Amino acid sequence: QVQLVQSGAEVKKPGASVKVSCKASGYTFTSYGIHWVRQAPGQRLEWMGWINAGNGNTKYSQKFQGRVTITRDTSASTAYMELSSLRSEDTAVYYCARDDPSAYYYYMDVWGKGTTVTVSS
Amino acid sequence: DIQMTQSPYSLSASVGDRVTITCRASQTISTYLNWYQQKPGKAPKLLIYAASSLQSGVPSRFSGSGSGTDFTLTISSLQPEDFATYYCQQSYSTPYTFGQGTKLEIK
Repeated sequence: QVQLVQSGAEVKKPGASVKVSCKASGYTFTSYGIHWVRQAPGQRLEWMGWINAGNGNTKYSQKFQGRVTITRDTSASTAYMELSSLRSEDTAVYYCARDDPSAYYYYMDVWGKGTTVTVSS
Repeated sequence: DIQMTQSPYSLSASVGDRVTITCRASQTISTYLNWYQQKPGKAPKLLIYAASSLQSGVPSRFSGSGSGTDFTLTISSLQPEDFATYYCQQSYSTPYTFGQGTKLEIK
């Protein structure tokens, strides 16, 4: 079945970087895009960026510009999100989610279970 | 950025009730509006896309409507498994943005 499997929880110190992976299975990885969305405790969902897994094109939220990098490894059907210069406010659950970049409407139809990132000194 | 505002913030209802949640965009987004359901400790689940299209496998008691700036999610007859938080999300332009969520609780 179609699924996205994310890497495990991380604990990082302020100023460090974190790299979260999202492994796709059950579909053709390069035919879809992958979004990264985070949710801080008790907060709304927040879109961070997206990658077209086929051609590698990316879009980022201006809020994270310069701190976030989204990449993919097509041979491993895996997308990655790296967030640098971590601060306590980056403590959140980070989700990856799939969309179809060729569709007329964009929506996230398959989600990973989330990766908890805790930033603490 | 397009701001998404949902109302109400929370809602108490009983099994069998008809419930409507509204979502307003700060500018017109045509029908680039999606609805998600999230249960505690779980990832969001897509319910409705393109404002009114039911995602495959989602029960028909869920429906969506609206265009432009005003949208609604309706649950025709609440079931016990529907008690969750619901989010709207615009996909008209990046950064994609979500509403603050509506928590649906059992009365």
